[in-house]
Amino acid sequence: QVQLQESGPGLVRPSETLSLTCTVSGGSISDHVWSWIRQPPGKGLEFIAYIYDSGRTNYNPSLESRVSISIDTSKKQFSLRVTSVTAADTAVYYCARLKNLGMPAITYHAFDFWGQGTLVTVSS
Amino acid sequence: EIVMTQSPLSLPVTPGEPASISCRSSQSLLRSNGYNFLDWYVQKPGQSPQLLIYLGSNRASGVPDRFSGGGSGTDFTLKISRVEAEDVGVYYCMQAQQAPRTFGPGTKVEIK
Repeated sequence: QVQLQESGPGLVRPSETLSLTCTVSGGSISDHVWSWIRQPPGKGLEFIAYIYDSGRTNYNPSLESRVSISIDTSKKQFSLRVTSVTAADTAVYYCARLKNLGMPAITYHAFDFWGQGTLVTVSS
Repeated sequence: EIVMTQSPLSLPVTPGEPASISCRSSQSLLRSNGYNFLDWYVQKPGQSPQLLIYLGSNRASGVPDRFSGGGSGTDFTLKISRVEAEDVGVYYCMQAQQAPRTFGPGTKVEIK
C-alpha cells in the first residue's frame, strides 16, 4: 500500500519561504506523477503543482510566480517551495499521487493516494 | 480557468435513502475521445480526500457500488443509492479537462 507523508515547519513568518517534503513509501516513485494540493482552514481544495518522475512540471498559474516543485527519485521524495508567503497561504498542504487510470484506452491521471496533510500557518 | 459549481452545498440525508449531488462546469469536460474529464472525491471528517469516481463514471478501486457517477459535457451527478452513516463528509467534483485542475466548493453530506 502506497503511503505519502508530508514534513516541514508548521509555522512560517510572513514574507519568508515555505518548504515541504513528501516521502513516498510502499511503492515506486517512478512511472507516476506527484502533486501538491492545499486547503485553507474551513475552505475547499486548491491544486498547486505536479511533477513527473522525469522532472517535467505543471503549476497553477495563480501561484506559479511563487511556487516551485522538485523531485528526488533516489530518496523517493518530492518537495514544494512557496516564496513570499502571506496569511493567505495558511492551509493544510497535501501531497498526492496522480496515477494513470485511463489505460489502455487513454491517458488519464487522478489523485489516487493522498498524504494525511500538514497544517502550515503563516504568522509573525 | 474552468469554474466548478455544486448543489446543494449542504445535504441532510436519511440512512437507507438515496442522495444526489449536482456538479456543473463552466466549460465542457467532454473530450473528442468520448470521455468526460471529471472526478469525484470525498473528504470524510478528519481525513484526507479520497477518490470515488474518475472519468465521470468509473468507480475507483474499493468504492462500493452504491456510488455512481453520471452526466456529460457540463452537467454531472453523483448518486448514492442508499446512504450509510459512513458516507458523511464533504464531496468534491474536480475537472481535469484543462490546466489548472479545479475543484467545486464541496457538498457537505450529513445524517439527519
